[in-house]
Amino acid sequence: YELTQALSVSVALGQTARITCGGNSIGSKNVHWYQQKPGQAPVLVIYKDSNRPSGIPERFSGSNSGNTATLTISRAQAGDEADFYCQVWDSSTVVFGGGTKLTVL
Amino acid sequence: QITLKESGPTLVKPTQTLTLTCTFSGFSLSTNGVTVGWFRQPPGKALEWLALFYWDDDKRYSPSLKSRLAITKDTSKNQVVLTMTNMDPVDTATYYCAHRGEGWYYFDYWGQGTLVTVSS
Repeated sequence: YELTQALSVSVALGQTARITCGGNSIGSKNVHWYQQKPGQAPVLVIYKDSNRPSGIPERFSGSNSGNTATLTISRAQAGDEADFYCQVWDSSTVVFGGGTKLTVL
Repeated sequence: QITLKESGPTLVKPTQTLTLTCTFSGFSLSTNGVTVGWFRQPPGKALEWLALFYWDDDKRYSPSLKSRLAITKDTSKNQVVLTMTNMDPVDTATYYCAHRGEGWYYFDYWGQGTLVTVSS
């Protein structure tokens, strides 16, 4: 099972960023999202499509339907710059997307 | 409070076997549903899943690396150990262990990672 992510996404400071994750009928799976800043371990920001762990700002939200899952970051801040990875469980394996680098301009 | 920390060699030679230890606290691998995973990330590249160890001693491996991996536990020491045989320079990466979220296949707590370089 393959997950496809754009290599990079840019967003103006204060605007809304949308990072997508494509996969065959991904809407039928639970999608999870991680943020990874340089030199740091991944941090879970969205689980089960649209749930935020405690401590994650409400600016982070997720959706999943059809062949695309989306991570939305509202009111983007400079501190949101990072690599973002989507992840699913498929056929008893953990699958990651290739990652998207978010740049806040 | 759940914490995990990876430990092991920083440098291994090609063909050698790598042994990494994940020492954790804040949970028990004897508890129903608890799972620990191992992952890696080559420099500048994406995350890759390696293996899972379940509370009931079940195990899962990445199909592409299954022949080279073994995952075990030491419950008394709160540790999960990953071994990878026949190391190659392409295996140079930061290796992470992580705690699986309850009931679902996401990973909510991660270790800081340990960089392993494969070079002669």
